[in-house]
Amino acid sequence: EVQLVESGGGLIQAGGSLRLSCAASGFTFSNSDMHWVRQSIGKGLEWVSAIGPIDDTYYSGSVKGRFTISREVAENSLYLQMTSLRAGDTAVYYCVRERVGGGIGAFDLWGRGTLVTVSS
Amino acid sequence: QSVLTQPPSVSGAPGQRVTISCTGSSSNIGAGNDVHWYQHLPGTAPKLIIYDNNNRPSGVPDRFSGSKSDTSASLAITGLQAEDEADYYCQSYDRSLSGRVFGGGTKLTVL
Repeated sequence: EVQLVESGGGLIQAGGSLRLSCAASGFTFSNSDMHWVRQSIGKGLEWVSAIGPIDDTYYSGSVKGRFTISREVAENSLYLQMTSLRAGDTAVYYCVRERVGGGIGAFDLWGRGTLVTVSS
Repeated sequence: QSVLTQPPSVSGAPGQRVTISCTGSSSNIGAGNDVHWYQHLPGTAPKLIIYDNNNRPSGVPDRFSGSKSDTSASLAITGLQAEDEADYYCQSYDRSLSGRVFGGGTKLTVL
């Protein structure tokens, strides 16, 4: 089955660190551009970070310098290491696959998300 | 404040047609970047319903269509059904921010 399953969310104090994981299955993970997208309670979707097939990485301005995206191809896993967490980072974090097709593709596969709550 | 602007809400009766606008700028939609649309029901994973401005993934009904012009895009839904009630988001790429951007989302209510 083609799917993405996130884990690692939880309650963490402001200033702390947390690592999210995403297990991919049913497709060629190594060839895919992968992303993290988050949604704060009652707010819209926000792109967080991306990693390409050659491990090139990209970050939104709000997390750059604090979050690190990585992947382990042998384990079909995507990670998001989050440090210096703030209350504003509280959100459901989605693991997302970018559609293959050239250019800047759409997000065609989403996980169900994992909730991160940062307490101040 | 989202980079792409959507109306907070739209509504329509079953069977009617509704449109959701997505307004950007010369650094995103107006720069020629594609627009994609997602349907999101609370508690579930968002679902891609339109990619590359006007293409439907397999399994998405042809009641959903997309268009793009200059610095804006639109999602149209015809023959509204109760199951279409959800939040809808547009998404593109912004060259000034060097990243993906979303609209603020539009809540569709089927009356």
